[in-house]
Amino acid sequence: EDQVTQSPEALRLQEGESSSLNCSYTVSGLRGLFWYRQDPGKGPEFLFTLYSAGEEKEKERLKATLTKKESFLHITAPKPEDSATYLCAVQVRGNTPLVFGKGTRLSVIA
Amino acid sequence: NAGVTQTPKFRILKIGQSMTLQCTQDMNHNYMYWYRQDPGMGLKLIYYSVGAGITDKGEVPNGYNVSRSTTEDFPLRLELAAPSQTSVYFCASSGLVAGELFFGEGSRLTVL
Repeated sequence: EDQVTQSPEALRLQEGESSSLNCSYTVSGLRGLFWYRQDPGKGPEFLFTLYSAGEEKEKERLKATLTKKESFLHITAPKPEDSATYLCAVQVRGNTPLVFGKGTRLSVIA
Repeated sequence: NAGVTQTPKFRILKIGQSMTLQCTQDMNHNYMYWYRQDPGMGLKLIYYSVGAGITDKGEVPNGYNVSRSTTEDFPLRLELAAPSQTSVYFCASSGLVAGELFFGEGSRLTVL
């Protein structure tokens, strides 16, 4: 069974305190790994797609990386507006639907 | 563009009632999905569609039905509502890159 595990469940950072979120996966064959951001009361918003080990993507203070077993979302010098739940999802075997992790709830305190 | 539009945003149902959650997208996407999200449980796939006239079950389809008569619309039908169907429901669509989903704002359903 394809599984996606995110850690930690919740993370509280001071403004400017860099950290990383983890997404580990056990799948039969990875086609792509996706990161989403979800604000309270809203639908998830797409951030990044990673396809192969060693690939990196960046957007403002966020950088996503991928290895053969896990992905990291690095947050550099976070601001309070980065507070959200970050969801990781994997896709296997062509255009099959995504399998989502439970998310990491990030709080950045000013 | 409006993107993905869901209605209603909030609804309270009594046990045994039925209702339809509406979802429409204006991006001409072939793929559409219904997820439910429970606190601390992530997103669970209910049903999905790869094009008009084609639907398939996801991880948690029991108690739900869907149809896809047009590219734009993908309604989710709840028959005989149960308290276990209390959740937030998200509709999403995707185009050529099937993993890049566009989500609606969600429909919060409470069954009492």
